Amino acid sequence: QKEVEQNSGPLSVPEGAIASLNCTYSDRGSQSFFWYRQYSGKSPELIMFIYSNGDKEDGRFTAQLNKASQYVSLLIRDSQPSDSATYLCAVNSLTTDSWGKLQFGAGTQVVVTP
Amino acid sequence: SQTIHQWPATLVQPVGSPLSLECTVEGTSNPNLYWYRQAAGRGLQLLFYSVGIGQISSEVPQNLSASRPQDRQFILSSKKLLLSDSGFYLCAWSTNYREDGYTFGSGTRLTVV
Repeated sequence: QKEVEQNSGPLSVPEGAIASLNCTYSDRGSQSFFWYRQYSGKSPELIMFIYSNGDKEDGRFTAQLNKASQYVSLLIRDSQPSDSATYLCAVNSLTTDSWGKLQFGAGTQVVVTP
Repeated sequence: SQTIHQWPATLVQPVGSPLSLECTVEGTSNPNLYWYRQAAGRGLQLLFYSVGIGQISSEVPQNLSASRPQDRQFILSSKKLLLSDSGFYLCAWSTNYREDGYTFGSGTRLTVV
């Protein structure tokens, strides 16, 4: 059973600080990694994707990937109250039995406090 | 650009009643389509996925079924709803490129009473 693990939170972050979210995955065949943001009562929206080891920055978001450690993280700099949401980590594998389906973690709830 | 439509947004149904949720995608052809359910405070559970017309794979045996009568239409159905069918139902689509993520519809919140 391929798994994607996240801390459920809530992760409480002061406004203006850096929020650090972690995700580990069990399938070494995983190739593509995604972060989704889900506001309460809404559907998930894709905010970041990363394929290669290292860092990828997009505005206030930075995704970090370490395939050797099977670890992907998301940093949110200068956190704003509008960043309060649940963040889902998703992993895509190339192994045939998974067909390329995304495996989702259960999500980490982030609460940015003014 | 591609868009995904899902309706209705909310639904309250009595136990034992039928269900039909519809999802359509515009602006692309031969999308991969998915139905997910999210129980309150829980993660996403993949219910069905489809790689083409009439091709449906079920992930979890349950009280639900899915159909894909047209290339960009995906329907989730039930003949008799159970209380446990309550949840947030999400349709999603993706390309055939595994490097691409999913795009979700706006969801249907189903309450079975």
